[in-house]
Amino acid sequence: NAGVTQTPKFRILKIGQSMTLQCTQDMNHNYMYWYRQDPGMGLKLIYYSVGAGITDKGEVPNGYNVSRSTTEDFPLRLELAAPSQTSVYFCASSDLGPSYEQYFGPGTRLTVT
Amino acid sequence: QKEVEQNSGPLSVPEGAIASLNCTYSDRGSQSFFWYRQYSGKSPELIMSIYSNGDKEDGRFTAQLNKASQYVSLLIRDSQPSDSATYLCAALPKVTFGTGTKLQVIP
Repeated sequence: NAGVTQTPKFRILKIGQSMTLQCTQDMNHNYMYWYRQDPGMGLKLIYYSVGAGITDKGEVPNGYNVSRSTTEDFPLRLELAAPSQTSVYFCASSDLGPSYEQYFGPGTRLTVT
Repeated sequence: QKEVEQNSGPLSVPEGAIASLNCTYSDRGSQSFFWYRQYSGKSPELIMSIYSNGDKEDGRFTAQLNKASQYVSLLIRDSQPSDSATYLCAALPKVTFGTGTKLQVIP
């Protein structure tokens, strides 16, 4: 099992550009999450999904969009990138819900200049 | 008040000593608590989970939960240099992570 995979590992965007961060899990987990982690800070929840076709906002959703068309994939879309979106983005999944162990992907380091 | 608070550290302990990491939370509805370890430049990995008051031991790690005091702690016995990392406390089901405590184990 690969677990949770994320692409790309690194990306530099210019202000105003858009991009999609990819996340795939092969554990058949229903729950998936997107977090951002700024230097020296904890994880902030951006969006989460409880299953295919169902998504909901987390703590910091502004500037992002998500979709969940399959159990395996949970892409995160950045529209009109801003320097404030410079961060490390982690995707995670869990089997039975947020109160259970979350498995994290390796992260995507994004810089917006 | 932050929902989950941790001392950012760094907490420095000598090799072989006990490291004590602390976390307080404000949401009395929190039911599940997790400790994640995060090495620099890596993703978080689960160390311990605890759901009920008291202690839970797993090898060199002991998690302690006191819901009345809204306090969670992680003890690491016989600390090793490989334990040097940032430790994140999380309270759920409202997904809230602390900012992490950086632990340095000095050989």
